[in-house]
Amino acid sequence: KAGVTQTPRYLIKTRGQQVTLSCSPISGHRSVSWYQQTPGQGLQFLFEYFSETQRNKGNFPGRFSGRQFSNSRSEMNVSTLELGDSALYLCASSLFSFYYEQYFGPGTRLTVT
Amino acid sequence: AQTVTQSQPEMSVQEAETVTLSCTYDTSENNYYLFWYKQPPSRQMILVIRQEAYKQQNATENRFSVNFQKAAKSFSLKISDSQLGDTAMYFCAFIGGLVGTDKLIFGTGTRLQVFP
Repeated sequence: KAGVTQTPRYLIKTRGQQVTLSCSPISGHRSVSWYQQTPGQGLQFLFEYFSETQRNKGNFPGRFSGRQFSNSRSEMNVSTLELGDSALYLCASSLFSFYYEQYFGPGTRLTVT
Repeated sequence: AQTVTQSQPEMSVQEAETVTLSCTYDTSENNYYLFWYKQPPSRQMILVIRQEAYKQQNATENRFSVNFQKAAKSFSLKISDSQLGDTAMYFCAFIGGLVGTDKLIFGTGTRLQVFP
């Protein structure tokens, strides 16, 4: 069974631009969660999607948004990028919920210059 | 606010020895879930162990076990017979609250180095 895949793996953007990251969960998994990992703030929860609906949300500004498609694939969008958005963005999938075992992808390394 | 604290930024242990990583949390919730996740160098994060707060029995997974002390809000991870492959960052994490407001909250992590 294929694992969680994230594309692209590396990305360099300029401040003020927007970016879209993609996550393909393990086949059959319906819950997808997104996390931001930085040296300063550590691991922070962004949001969780289930059946195309955002079910839980972390404390991030509205510039961070996401969506989930009918095939459970998910995208995360960050608009008006700031230098502080440079981070490793991790996606994780689970059968039903992030209350249970999550399988993480390798992450997308975003650098904002 | 719910918080998770890992007070040991770095630890080291010799192969085959036992090591315990500490984690404390703060919450007013009665029902919640606790996790230990492992992030090996340049590799994907994986779940080590999961504990449901309403279960008094401590969770175990092979060489990994937890000491869950609900009253003390403590959730330590014990690794027995440490192996070189256990070298990684270990994150303690917590989920609690009502659906829709839940957040998976991580501690700052403990970097574990296993020496031969």
